[in-house]
Amino acid sequence: AQSVTQLGSHVSVSEGALVLLRCNYSSSVPPYLFWYVQYPNQGLQLLLKYTTGATLVKGINGFEAEFKKSETSFHLTKPSAHMSDAAEYFCALNSGYSTLTFGKGTMLLVSP
Amino acid sequence: EAGVAQSPRYKIIEKRQSVAFWCNPISGHATLYWYQQILGQGPKLLIQFQNNGVVDDSQLPKDRFSAERLKGVDSTLKIQPAKLEDSAVYLCASSLETSGGPNTQYFGPGTRLTVL
Repeated sequence: AQSVTQLGSHVSVSEGALVLLRCNYSSSVPPYLFWYVQYPNQGLQLLLKYTTGATLVKGINGFEAEFKKSETSFHLTKPSAHMSDAAEYFCALNSGYSTLTFGKGTMLLVSP
Repeated sequence: EAGVAQSPRYKIIEKRQSVAFWCNPISGHATLYWYQQILGQGPKLLIQFQNNGVVDDSQLPKDRFSAERLKGVDSTLKIQPAKLEDSAVYLCASSLETSGGPNTQYFGPGTRLTVL
């Protein structure tokens, strides 16, 4: 069975600080991994995805994530937080089929 | 390019009533998904269509939920009768035809259902 665990339901940072959102996965086959962002009252928007190849993946809005097979992790980072980054972030896993399994989400709070 | 459209955006009903949601996917996208997102949780797949055929409905509560995708384009999701625990956001997503690979899913804005 495949699963996604996001550590921390809420993460608070100051504007300009490093953003680190944690995601660990469990999959019996090589996974495809995604990060989505959800702003209030909106649908999910793809930030970035890992399929194969380079393990450091760059996405939109300055975000990036690194696939670490040995740690079964796919943590999301951004060097400097902006107020506009405040949203809920979801890590998702695709284990070779089209169905996505989502984590419970992490709410990112950015203070001035 | 127009995104995934959903209506209505908000719906409030009494328990035991019925409700229907509509989704229009991105033009040319063969695969359509309906997800349920309960407050504080990630989206959970209810049903997946490829063109007008069902690929996966293993998590759809078939005693009360039904979905169809006529002509392989628009889709409707119905709940009859609704229960309090059906209060959630219902998200529709679409992607290009899948072949087991990680085609990106594009999400609509969702319909927020409140059951009183």
